Amino acid sequence: EAQVTQNPRYLITVTGKKLTVTCSQNMNHEYMSWYRQDPGLGLRQIYYSMNVEVTDKGDVPEGYKVSRKEKRNFPLILESPSPNQTSLYFCASSKLAGNIQYFGAGTRLSVL
Amino acid sequence: QQPVQSPQAVILREGEDAVINCSSSKALYSVHWYRQKHGEAPVFLMILLKGGEQKGHEKISASFNEKKQQSSLYLTASQLSYSGTYFCGTENSGGSNYKLTFGKGTLLTVNP
Repeated sequence: EAQVTQNPRYLITVTGKKLTVTCSQNMNHEYMSWYRQDPGLGLRQIYYSMNVEVTDKGDVPEGYKVSRKEKRNFPLILESPSPNQTSLYFCASSKLAGNIQYFGAGTRLSVL
Repeated sequence: QQPVQSPQAVILREGEDAVINCSSSKALYSVHWYRQKHGEAPVFLMILLKGGEQKGHEKISASFNEKKQQSSLYLTASQLSYSGTYFCGTENSGGSNYKLTFGKGTLLTVNP
C-alpha cells in the first residue's frame, strides 16, 4: 500500500532533550516536506526537499534540522526542543514538486 | 506569505451550497485544495494551474482567477461527509525553487 509513515505518532518530552521524528514514503517520490499545524495558524512549512541531498527552509525552520540521505526517508530533528515547538507535525511527499501531496498520519509532540 | 481564506468558518444544513475563497497578495502560479477531517491528515482535493481553469470533483469544484489572484472552492448540495477543514495552498513562482504556502483553513460543518 502506498503510504507516508511517521513515527512516533505521539511524543511527550522535556525541554532540551534531542529528538527525531522519522518519515518514510514507499512511492519513490522526489519531493518531501515537513509541516507543523497549530490552532488558528493552518499548516506552516518547516523544511522541504526537492530530492536526495537537496533541502531548503520553509516558513518556520528555526529550531529544526532535516536530512535527506535516501530518497524514501526525511527525518525531522529537534536538537534542543522548547515548549513553543509543541505542535502537530505532518510529513508529506509528492512525485515531483507541485504535484499532489500525500500526508502522513501526523505526530503530536508535547514539549514540557 | 500565507494566502487569506474566507470565511474562517461556515455552518450548513445538508443539501446547502458553500463557497470558500482563497486570496493571495502575489501572482499565483497554482492553487492546491485539501480537506482535513478532525484528527486525520489532510487529503488532496484538486490542483488548479494559472489560466482560469475550473476543475471538478463530484459536487466539489474550484475556479482560479489569475487577475484577481484568487481561487474559490464550490461545494454543491453539501453532504455530511463534507465536514472538515479546507485548506488552500498557493504557489507563487512556478520556478525551480518550489514552495507551497497554506492558508489558515476554513472550518466547514454540515448538519443534518
